[in-house]
Amino acid sequence: QKEVEQNSGPLSVPEGAIASLNCTYSDRGSQSFFWYRQYSGKSPELIMSIYSNGDKEDGRFTAQLNKASQYVSLLIRDSQPSDSATYLCAVRVDYKLSFGAGTTVTVRA
Amino acid sequence: DAEITQSPRHKITETGRQVTLACHQTWNHNNMFWYRQDLGHGLRLIHYSYGVQDTNKGEVSDGYSVSRSNTEDLPLTLESAASSQTSVYFCASSDRNTGELFFGEGSRLTVL
Repeated sequence: QKEVEQNSGPLSVPEGAIASLNCTYSDRGSQSFFWYRQYSGKSPELIMSIYSNGDKEDGRFTAQLNKASQYVSLLIRDSQPSDSATYLCAVRVDYKLSFGAGTTVTVRA
Repeated sequence: DAEITQSPRHKITETGRQVTLACHQTWNHNNMFWYRQDLGHGLRLIHYSYGVQDTNKGEVSDGYSVSRSNTEDLPLTLESAASSQTSVYFCASSDRNTGELFFGEGSRLTVL
């Protein structure tokens, strides 16, 4: 079993819709959780971090964490063409991050 | 602004040659990491360091080595390049408290 698994995608959503991305992890000792966005040919950039159960909102992005279910999600509201990218879920154990394979999102106009 | 710089950004080499990828960060982070990214595998950890003179193996360390002589630099060396090491390599550093990882621009390596 992989440490971090994401819904494989690709995910295609119309402009203005909500994109929902899911991630599960295997290590119950995981301490912190992150979402990175990666445009094609570019490096990953951090868009959200979440450390405790519940929801965390930042602009059009909402991260949700449920440690009991070992589940992290990211919602992108009012999706824009500029949101088209691969989204990577990352989980921290000790000082290291393990990444999921990523979900590619395409926002169609 | 603090940043991480990698060099070279693109390199083509031959099987069996030694290759070193440089990584320099100005975040003053103690923690530094090297990942490789391949289609279908995502980001996989090669080596990491929690401070000067500290180095540790990640999940795909065979054929790679690192050294940490100062806070700013973590060069990655491929002792004898193999075609399986053709990949995009990312250096990253993190804040010890938050764990937030910041990436360099990446180095695309092709081994022929």
